[in-house]
Amino acid sequence: QVQLVESGGGVVQPGRSLRLSCAASGFTFSSYAMHWVRQAPGKGLEWLAFISHDGPNKHYADSVKGRFTVSRDNSQNTLSLQMNSLRADDTAVYYCAKEYCSPTRCSYGFDVWGLGTTVIVSS
Amino acid sequence: QSALTQPASVSGSPGQSITISCSGTRSDIGANIFVSWYQHRPGKAPQLMIYDVLNRPSGISDRFSGSKSANTASLTISGLQAEDEADYYCSSYTLSSTWVFGGGTKLTVL
Repeated sequence: QVQLVESGGGVVQPGRSLRLSCAASGFTFSSYAMHWVRQAPGKGLEWLAFISHDGPNKHYADSVKGRFTVSRDNSQNTLSLQMNSLRADDTAVYYCAKEYCSPTRCSYGFDVWGLGTTVIVSS
Repeated sequence: QSALTQPASVSGSPGQSITISCSGTRSDIGANIFVSWYQHRPGKAPQLMIYDVLNRPSGISDRFSGSKSANTASLTISGLQAEDEADYYCSSYTLSSTWVFGGGTKLTVL
């Protein structure tokens, strides 16, 4: 079945780096744009990053621009998020999500999500 | 990139209808049709309920409907059921080629 599984979360000190991965299965990964979204404790969802289906087109939220980098390996069906200069307010559950495409065209919604991986930034 | 504005909570009895509003600006909701809504239960993956303002993905009940007027989008759930209890988030594509979510609304079925 269509599935996304995030990994790579953990406890990290402020200022350090962490790399998250998202393994995709059950669909043609290379055909879809992908996103990263996070949810801090007690807070709502926050969109973080977009990458086009083939990789060159990327966009970021202001809160992570210059610190986080999204990438993908279509040969391995894997999405990644490199997070540098981590801060306490980066503590959150991080989700990867797939863009939604109807039979006629792709939309800007996210129809498949993983269960998330938890990142805790603390000294 | 300010978050879209949603009420923190709404409630309704089984069988009733409720509407959740989502207020944005001319740079996001008011700028395009790319408004979507998500249901999120604790410990679960968010689920797409509405895309492009008013369309339902396959498998989503027709009790869920969406609309938009100017800079405000709305999600209506009719025939409220206990299983609808969850957090609901709106989202919009923006003129900056980014996406923005609302703060979320907790729906309680009384």
